[in-house]
Amino acid sequence: QIVLTQSPAIMSASLGERVTMTCTASSSVSSSYLHWYQQKPGSSPKLWIYSTSNLASGVPARFSGSGSGTSYSLTISSMEAEDAATYYCHQYHRSHTFGGGTKLEIK
Amino acid sequence: EVQLVESGGGLVKPGGSLKLSCAASGFTFSDYYMYWVRQTPEKRLEWVATISDGGSYTYYPDSVKGRFTISRDNAKNNLYLQMSSLKSEDTAMYYCARTARASYAMDYWGQGTSVTVSS
Repeated sequence: QIVLTQSPAIMSASLGERVTMTCTASSSVSSSYLHWYQQKPGSSPKLWIYSTSNLASGVPARFSGSGSGTSYSLTISSMEAEDAATYYCHQYHRSHTFGGGTKLEIK
Repeated sequence: EVQLVESGGGLVKPGGSLKLSCAASGFTFSDYYMYWVRQTPEKRLEWVATISDGGSYTYYPDSVKGRFTISRDNAKNNLYLQMSSLKSEDTAMYYCARTARASYAMDYWGQGTSVTVSS
């Protein structure tokens, strides 16, 4: 199965700062099948970005996703307080696997 | 509005069984593949099972294959997960989720039901 490694595991950003987190796959993943979820404490995960770069409904335009092959990233152009959360990447290639998450905090 | 509501979690002894349910509403349930996904106490997300829209096809990771069974009742808009031979490592929050067509993403999740396997 494909292992997804997210880095960093924990990061902090100031309001207004540009934020980038990465998801590295142990083997190549189709960009159509690489997704990101946002989870806040006490809530279930929410689909945030699907198929590498498509924002889910209601997701602010300051978020973007990119990547191909084994390297993917999620970027926030300007950090806002509501963006503090844990972000998970997810891939499908014969089976589903998730990354360990990046916890984004406010500095 | 899409809603997924899980139930049936609880405390069970190792080797025991438990059946989870997920009530779906707000969409045509029979049109969608469905998943069960769990989140461990360490916050790791793990795929547990997939079932096709008609219920004919099911898929599991090796960690639960032979112990868990996913099923659905499209007439009642319900999804199920029968869990047997439970182990301590099955302790987790269990979520049902809907498949986003074509992308295999999980576009809607329930609020989860907690399963604890302990003597």
